[in-house]
Amino acid sequence: GAVVSQHPSRVICKSGTSVKIECRSLDFQATTMFWYRQFPKQSLMLMATSNEGSKATYEQGVEKDKFLINHASLTLSTLTVTSAHPEDSSFYICSASVGSYTEAFFGQGTRLTVV
Amino acid sequence: QKEVEQNSGPLSVPEGAIASLNCTYSDRGSQSFFWYRQYSGKSPELIMSIYSNGDKEDGRFTAQLNKASQYVSLLIRDSQPSDSATYLCAVNTHLNNAGNMLTFGGGTRLMVKP
Repeated sequence: GAVVSQHPSRVICKSGTSVKIECRSLDFQATTMFWYRQFPKQSLMLMATSNEGSKATYEQGVEKDKFLINHASLTLSTLTVTSAHPEDSSFYICSASVGSYTEAFFGQGTRLTVV
Repeated sequence: QKEVEQNSGPLSVPEGAIASLNCTYSDRGSQSFFWYRQYSGKSPELIMSIYSNGDKEDGRFTAQLNKASQYVSLLIRDSQPSDSATYLCAVNTHLNNAGNMLTFGGGTRLMVKP
């Protein structure tokens, strides 16, 4: 299957700082990338959908000013958690797909801990 | 709201048995169906895809699709302890004026006991 690389895999930051997470499709061009958050023992929660060159579409309840998404190219999307707080500590996962009816491939995930 | 429903489990089966995982979906227009496996602390990995009614086999895994009943299932034969994970059903759903996206079920936790 296709490879999606997510970086960093683990990050610890201080409360009030910002953290940027990168998601790259290494061997295909991703028309759409998705960002998820997953709390322990809970299911994936879709945060936003991003298409290259356009603004991200955020799910209800997700603050777009706090979770900044940039999809600058067909192989790179970034999620920036601004002014992080301890309640933002979670497992953040990106996925990418080629087309509308195709499967999505997941990055390795980023475990964010805000102290 | 387009929904994908799964029993959260845990589903416990003995080693060597067949594990049967089920999923129902609400969007009749869905055309693509996927099963992902997620180990604790890891991201999901794709294990099966199915697009037409009937069965699709890949090794120990068989995906079954019934669009009339809006039902998709995954059978795991000769279950191994290493199959213990959460299995996520994903269905492509149509977004009004915005293409399609994958909608995930909540996942079923499978435990295979030696």
